[in-house]
Formats: sequence, structure tokens, C-alpha cells
Amino acid sequence: AAGVIQSPRHLIKEKRETATLKCYPIPRHDTVYWYQQGPGQDPQFLISFYEKMQSDKGSIPDRFSAQQFSDYHSELNMSSLELGDSALYFCASSPPRVGEQFFGPGTRLTVL
Amino acid sequence: AQSVTQLGSHVSVSEGALVLLRCNYSSSVPPYLFWYVQYPNQGLQLLLKYTSAATLVKGINGFEAEFKKSETSFHLTKPSAHMSDAAEYFCAVSFGVDYKLSFGAGTTVTVRA
Repeated sequence: AAGVIQSPRHLIKEKRETATLKCYPIPRHDTVYWYQQGPGQDPQFLISFYEKMQSDKGSIPDRFSAQQFSDYHSELNMSSLELGDSALYFCASSPPRVGEQFFGPGTRLTVL
Repeated sequence: AQSVTQLGSHVSVSEGALVLLRCNYSSSVPPYLFWYVQYPNQGLQLLLKYTSAATLVKGINGFEAEFKKSETSFHLTKPSAHMSDAAEYFCAVSFGVDYKLSFGAGTTVTVRA
């Protein structure tokens, strides 16, 4: 069965650089979520999109932005990277009215 | 606001013993509750979910959980632990379908041979 695809799987950046993380949801899933999991922490909700519109926003820094495109894939753009941005970034997608989010394998971002 | 509290950050069990992971929730509306498992360097996999249907929920890999409104709890159990159950387990809550998840701090399970 198709799963959520995230790319890249690993990313190393320097402070103040920018990074773009991509997420390809499972086909026919209309909602995409982004979560950030710091070392030894629980995942924290960043932002979500429903049918290409932002549907909810969590503790996402102003330096971060995201969008969902016409093919439903989503990108998380991160600028002026800080050491504290080093984390595992998960994308999840869900089909309509099922109440279950399917998570991708995550992108591990390391900021040096 | 909704939140979950997982009691115990680490649980160690012997192979074949009962696994019990505790989760209590706080919610102003009827909650949707989930248990996820995370293996090292992997994503989150859904074990089971409660969405206001049966209070005893059976999931994958022999896990089950019971929703108890009077105790605001959603504890996860497995009668007999297997070495492959060693992982981190997260309890999560949401307002309902298509809403963000709020996770607990997680419980790391180790299984002793």
C-alpha cells in the first residue's frame, strides 16, 4: 500500500541557511499535517492544510512557512535556521472523516 | 484545550509479561484518543484509536485499550510482551476527525528476555 513520502530523509544545514522539506500524501487523502519532534520529545503540531487551504496553525515560528500544492503535496520552508530547529519533521496525511493520520518516515534536520 | 498525560516515561517488562501503559486525558469536548508506536529512527504507526464507538478498542500487534470516561483514562495493554514490542509509545488526543493531534510525552518500553 502507498505510504506518505517525505524528502529528503536527512538534511544538514548551517545556521542562518534555508531548508525546504517536501511531503507527498497518500493518494486521495485531503488533509496534510506537519509535526516537529525535538530530541527526546513528543511531536508538536506545526500546521495543517485541507484541500490546499491552511486549516490550522500550531507553534510554528514566523521563520517557517508552508503550503499545499494542486497535486496535494506540501512543502515546509524554513529560513534563518537556528540550532534549535534541529529535529525530526513528520508529515502526516488523512482521508476525509476517518479520524486517522498516517505518518511519513520523517525528515531529520540537523543545523550546525 | 485538550491534553494527555502519560504516567511513566520508562516501563520495563519481562518477555511474556503484561504490558500496561497509562494515559489520562483532559478535554472540554468528547475526545478522540489514539495510541501510536515509534521504533528507533522511524515514523509513527497507529496502534489503535477511540472515536466514540466501542469503549474497548482492539488494535494491531495484540494491543488493546479501554476508554473510561469516569477516570478520564485510555490505558494501553498487551497480555504478553514480545521482544519486538520494545519501542516508544505515544498517547494522543484530538477534537475529532481531521484535527491536529496533541501528544503525550511518550513512554519507552524495554522488554527483558
